[in-house]
Amino acid sequence: GAVVSQHPSRVICKSGTSVKIECRSLDFQATTMFWYRQFPKKSLMLMATSNEGSKATYEQGVEKDKFLINHASLTLSTLTVTSAHPEDSSFYICSARDMGSGVQYFGPGTRLTVT
Amino acid sequence: GIQVEQSPPDLILQEGANSTLRCNFSDSVNNLQWFHQNPWGQLINLFYIPSGTKQNGRLSATTVATERYSLLYISSSQTTDSGVYFCAVDSSGTYKYIFGTGTRLKVLA
Repeated sequence: GAVVSQHPSRVICKSGTSVKIECRSLDFQATTMFWYRQFPKKSLMLMATSNEGSKATYEQGVEKDKFLINHASLTLSTLTVTSAHPEDSSFYICSARDMGSGVQYFGPGTRLTVT
Repeated sequence: GIQVEQSPPDLILQEGANSTLRCNFSDSVNNLQWFHQNPWGQLINLFYIPSGTKQNGRLSATTVATERYSLLYISSSQTTDSGVYFCAVDSSGTYKYIFGTGTRLKVLA
């Protein structure tokens, strides 16, 4: 199947700093990518839809100024957590839809810890 | 919004046993996938199955869209099948997946 990568896999940052997470579709193009958040032993929660060449759309309750999303190309979307606080610590997962098959493939996730 | 419930929430099996995991959803869906989340957090795509039946080795899945449920069958379970199984559905046609509550499976040797 298709591959989606994320970088970094783990990051620890200090409170108040910003962190950028990259999501890449390696062998297919994706006009749309999605960002999810998962707390320990919980299900995934959709945060936002990243659209190539246009603004991201955010789910209700997700602060767009805190979670900045940029989809600069058909293979790359980035999520920047701005002014991170300990409550932003979580597992962030991206996905990309293979337009040919319709199947969504998920990245391996990024574990963010804010100290 | 659409509600997605999975059952059972937890399941413990002896190696070699069979199991059925269920996903109920509250509205009609355009897309549905089953995933296995391994202990490192990676979501492995098992099936894209908005309707009908598919099989892949020891795994098979059936979605009855008109009755708003999907089933994942695991036969001859192995310890490597342990992890969390999620179904995810898209009811809007926008490919925005809503994830189910998950089934945590542990297979004992």
